[in-house]
Order: sequence, then C-alpha cells, then structure tokens
Amino acid sequence: DAGVIQSPRHEVTEMGQEVTLRCKPISGHNSLFWYRQTMMRGLELLIYFNNNVPIDDSGMPEDRFSAKMPNASFSTLKIQPSEPRDSAVYFCASSRTEVTEAFFGQGTRLTVV
Amino acid sequence: AQSVTQLGSHVSVSEGALVLLRCNYSSSVPPYLFWYVQYPNQGLQLLLKYTSAATLVKGINGFEAEFKKSETSFHLTKPSAHMSDAAEYFCAVTQKAAGNKLTFGGGTRVLVKP
Repeated sequence: DAGVIQSPRHEVTEMGQEVTLRCKPISGHNSLFWYRQTMMRGLELLIYFNNNVPIDDSGMPEDRFSAKMPNASFSTLKIQPSEPRDSAVYFCASSRTEVTEAFFGQGTRLTVV
Repeated sequence: AQSVTQLGSHVSVSEGALVLLRCNYSSSVPPYLFWYVQYPNQGLQLLLKYTSAATLVKGINGFEAEFKKSETSFHLTKPSAHMSDAAEYFCAVTQKAAGNKLTFGGGTRVLVKP
C-alpha cells in the first residue's frame, strides 16, 4: 500500500482565497483524522471521521473550516476564506477501528500571505 | 477525558548515551498508548504501541517503552543514542470508546551531540 496520500505537499495562497487540501486514506481503514501542526500550538486534532461520518469536529477552529468525506477513499479539508494565521502543516491520518494506531501522510504545508 | 503530558520540550543527549523521554497520561478507562517520531519535513511515524498486552513494549530503531499503570506513565527509552535519532517524539493516548481519537502530547525534540 502507498500509505496515506496528501495533496498538495505545499500550498501558497493569498489571504481571502479558498484552499482545498486532499487526502486519500489507506485502503481498508475506516477512521480518518485531520490534524494541524504549528510551532505555537503543536498537533491539534481538527476533525475525525468513522466510516465516512464526522464524529467529532470540535477542533475545527472556525466556520471558515469545513471537511468532507464523500467516500471511504477520499477526504477534503477546505478553508474559505483563508487567513495568514491558518499557515501551518496539515496532516491527514487513517486507522482501522480494530487496530488503533494511526498512519500519517506527509502533510501539506500551507502558507497564507 | 484523556490527556498526555510530555516532560521537557527539548532533550540533549550525547551519542551513545541513554535516551529517556517522559510521558504521563490521564485516562478514565484503560488506554492505548503510542510513541511517534517525526523527522524534519515529514509526517509522524509509529515507533511503538501499548494495547493492554505486555507492559514492556519494543519498537523500531531500538526504542522501547514501559507501561506503568500505578504511575500513569509510558516513558520511552533507548540504551544508546545514535545521530539518526535526532527528531521530535510524540506520545499519544486513545481509548477504544473514544473512536480511536488520538490525543497527542506537546512533543519532545531530541538533539544528539557527537
């Protein structure tokens, strides 16, 4: 398996623009997580899905953030409109419910200027 | 509720010396515990996990961790540090009842001196 695949690896955008981050989890995994990593706040869980259903989105910072998982092999995290304080590395991770470790993608480094 | 505390945001060790990274957890039910490593500009990679089997867990790259319920700890050790161990290490906890929601500690950055 290729592991968790995220795209793009790097994104630079202007403030106010819409940004969409993409994730393909490992085949057969039914839990998917979106994390944000910054120097100031460390690793923060934004939202996670079980069987494509959002279970806990309490970590989503504002209404500007939204996440979808239309099927078991694809998820998106959208920021609209983006702001400079959204600059961070965003990680997607997946796991099998019965095996609890999460496997992480390489991350998307987002810079909002 | 679950939480993780990593004592020390930075640790400096000499090559060949013992590596000890501390992790204490809080969990209302028996936890599952993990250590992850992150190299620069990369994602997190699982080092080892505890899932209620043996309390001493061996992982990759010569690391091991011991689950101590009485101390609510899951410290990570390696007998002899190598230059390639320079990275950031994260302890994480989850509970099966929490839907595998991982909660991470703040991370410990390890510097290895020659």
